[in-house]
Amino acid sequence: DVKVTQSSRYLVKRTGEKVFLECVQDMDHENMFWYRQDPGLGLRLIYFSYDVKMKEKGDIPEGYSVSREKKERFSLILESASTNQTSMYLCASSLGGTSGQNIQYFGAGTRLSVL
Amino acid sequence: GQQLNQSPQSMFIQEGEDVSMNCTSSSIFNTWLWYKQDPGEGPVLLIALYKAGELTSNGRLTAQFGITRKDSFLNISASIPSDVGIYFCAGRSFGNEKLTFGTGTRLTIIP
Repeated sequence: DVKVTQSSRYLVKRTGEKVFLECVQDMDHENMFWYRQDPGLGLRLIYFSYDVKMKEKGDIPEGYSVSREKKERFSLILESASTNQTSMYLCASSLGGTSGQNIQYFGAGTRLSVL
Repeated sequence: GQQLNQSPQSMFIQEGEDVSMNCTSSSIFNTWLWYKQDPGEGPVLLIALYKAGELTSNGRLTAQFGITRKDSFLNISASIPSDVGIYFCAGRSFGNEKLTFGTGTRLTIIP
């Protein structure tokens, strides 16, 4: 079974803090993704990585950065947390390549509250 | 970014009823996926579809890949309390590593 593990289920941070959300997958997947999920807005892609040290902006990258130093780990960084970044954050991974069966597998999510 | 039109947005049903939901897109996809998200958890894959016209079942769940490649349907038969949650469709176009998601259908079962 594919396992995508997010390091924290719940986080409470203060405005202006630097926040790190960590995600690890154990299936040697090429691709990793960070989404945020807000009521009524569905899943919105923040950043996507298709290889170590490679990244691509998603639909809402402002206020976020990412790091992928190792294949299995993809970190989301909030440089200076703001209250409008209070949300559920979901990490996902997929096999990659030209296979038509490129399913994304999700972690359990991190619910971040910025006060 | 683009989002898929998923309907209905929410459903309130009684245990034992059948459920239908669908997703439509302005773009053609070569993969359709259906996920379920339990409260406080991440989405879990239910069914994957790879060919136009394909009909696939997973227990009481049945999903279809529309002939036009622009829509997909999910049916749940004889609903039970553990079916409660949010159901998302997602589409993927050829050569694209990213998925486009629907806005979700929230299913509630009335006791």
